[in-house]
Amino acid sequence: DAGITQSPRYKITETGRQVTLMCHQTWSHSYMFWYRQDLGHGLRLIYYSAAADITDKGEVPDGYVVSRSKTENFPLTLESATRSQTSVYFCASSELGIVTHSSYNEQFFGPGTRLTVL
Amino acid sequence: DAKTTQPNSMESNEEEPVHLPCNHSTISGTDYIHWYRQLPSQGPEYVIHGLTSNVNNRMASLAIAEDRKSSTLILHRATLRDAAVYYCILNQYTDKLIFGTGTRLQVFP
Repeated sequence: DAGITQSPRYKITETGRQVTLMCHQTWSHSYMFWYRQDLGHGLRLIYYSAAADITDKGEVPDGYVVSRSKTENFPLTLESATRSQTSVYFCASSELGIVTHSSYNEQFFGPGTRLTVL
Repeated sequence: DAKTTQPNSMESNEEEPVHLPCNHSTISGTDYIHWYRQLPSQGPEYVIHGLTSNVNNRMASLAIAEDRKSSTLILHRATLRDAAVYYCILNQYTDKLIFGTGTRLQVFP
């Protein structure tokens, strides 16, 4: 399917387990982002990537690992899940950085993954 | 990035105009103003953006105060489908959007 997809859509895991959330986009966008959304906090940026093999931390990176070996995929791994990582996770992509000298590039969001850590 | 202040919630009746305010008194000259919205159980979606001048698109209008310390997102005729959380975001020439908690808009039939 065209667009940006996330899998799984729902995941229940236990404390201490490793979990990987997948994000795939079909537009060949350069930029990809991972956010988490908790009640009362809005969306918070975890990590982002400007291109394959380039990643950078966002506001709340601790406890997460990302990789970007291919432009279209941006997996997010929780190496040892904790209850505080129970959240809804959104992946997003944009063609370029948000504002360049010649264009505006909106972010397109996936449908989200609801993760529960018991 | 400069911070924005939005009301926690607003209400509107269907087919009436809605004005969603955003205060950004510490905005700098190169800060863009972005609006995204998040429908229930969905990811956010882009609504509109601007720098200094008022902007119109098919979804909404953005009115920016002359001193740029505030802006207003205008939905000309609210529909039930416009019920969402609306985020006003500032950023300079960075690649990141920092979301706040937004305004929850309720639309009544």
